[in-house]
Amino acid sequence: ELKVEQNPLFLSMQEGKNYTIYCNYSTTSDRLYWYRQDPGKSLESLFVLLSNGAVKQEGRLMASLDTKARLSTLHITAAVHDLSATYFCAVAPDVDDMRFGAGTRLTVKP
Amino acid sequence: GAGVSQSPSNKVTEKGKDVELRCDPISGHTALYWYRQSLGQGLEFLIYFQGNSAPDKSGLPSDRFSAERTGGSVSTLTIQRTQQEDSAVYLCASSANLGVDNEQFFGPGTRLTVL
Repeated sequence: ELKVEQNPLFLSMQEGKNYTIYCNYSTTSDRLYWYRQDPGKSLESLFVLLSNGAVKQEGRLMASLDTKARLSTLHITAAVHDLSATYFCAVAPDVDDMRFGAGTRLTVKP
Repeated sequence: GAGVSQSPSNKVTEKGKDVELRCDPISGHTALYWYRQSLGQGLEFLIYFQGNSAPDKSGLPSDRFSAERTGGSVSTLTIQRTQQEDSAVYLCASSANLGVDNEQFFGPGTRLTVL
């Protein structure tokens, strides 16, 4: 059974600091997604990673994918309060099978 | 442009009643997905439609759950004889499903509360 594990599940960090969220998955997949969810809101697509070694950056967030290690990382640089949200990774080994991690609840404190 | 819309945004019902949740995907998106998100949890995949057909319904939690899609557009998720454990946010997503990335775009969700 496909498992997607994120860690940490809870992350409290100070503004200006850097941190990395990890996403491990248990089966072969060349498609990995990162989403952001604000409280009471729906999911917003952040990154789509489609190949081994893929790296994408948007503002203070950078995502990477290592398909051989079955690992994706979401790196946060110089965090700001606006980044506080829950971040989900998801893996889609097939078009009709997308599995989400449990989410990482990020709180950025001043 | 219009995104994925869902209705109602909130639904409170009594245990044992039937509920119907609606999803209107982005125009032209052939793929449609239903997920359930319980409080503080990740997303649980329920069902996927390609056009009007759902190749795999095994993700539905029980036989009280059913879903249909007509005209390759709007989809409804029906829960019969609701139970308290059905309380959750039900999210719908759609995808153009034209290329490799298959990026899904999510609607705002329907928050279902079963009393």
